[in-house]
Amino acid sequence: KAGVTQTPRYLIKTRGQQVTLSCSPISGHRSVSWYQQTPGQGLQFLFEYFSETQRNKGNFPGRFSGRQFSNSRSEMNVSTLELGDSALYLCASSPEPTVYGYTFGSGTRLTVV
Amino acid sequence: AQSVTQLGSHVSVSEGALVLLRCNYSSSVPPYLFWYVQYPNQGLQLLLKYTSAATLVKGINGFEAEFKKSETSFHLTKPSAHMSDAAEYFCAVSVLHGGSQGNLIFGKGTKLSVKP
Repeated sequence: KAGVTQTPRYLIKTRGQQVTLSCSPISGHRSVSWYQQTPGQGLQFLFEYFSETQRNKGNFPGRFSGRQFSNSRSEMNVSTLELGDSALYLCASSPEPTVYGYTFGSGTRLTVV
Repeated sequence: AQSVTQLGSHVSVSEGALVLLRCNYSSSVPPYLFWYVQYPNQGLQLLLKYTSAATLVKGINGFEAEFKKSETSFHLTKPSAHMSDAAEYFCAVSVLHGGSQGNLIFGKGTKLSVKP
């Protein structure tokens, strides 16, 4: 069974640009969450989608957005990139928002220069 | 508000020694608790989870954790460390959100080193 797939694995962008990250959950998983991991702030929750609806959102500025498609694949977008957005972005999936725990992908390493 | 505190950002043990990674949580409602492990350049792998069933939870790779409500703790242990256990470990708490699982709130992580 394929795991959670995140693309691309590495990305370098310039300040002010925008970026889109992709996440394909485990087959049959309908809940997708995104987390940002930085050395300073640790792991922080961005948002969660279930059945194409955002059901929960963390404390991030509006430059961070996401969406989920009918096949449960999800994308997150960051507009007007700042140096502080450099981070490992992790996607996690779960069958549904019950207490199964989440399966994480390997992440996308975003570097903003 | 929920929070997680992991005591010790770095822990070093000898191969074959007991591993003890400490986690305390704060939650006003019964929590769900998790331990995840992260190897370099990898995502997070679920080790074990507590979801209000048995207080002693067994996970993968020989790890286990005990939920102690009176101490608000969920410490992770392994009787005998292996070199392959060297990684960063994260404790996380989740509470119900709208009747379903909420997002994870993570501790800052503990890096485990294993000496030969």
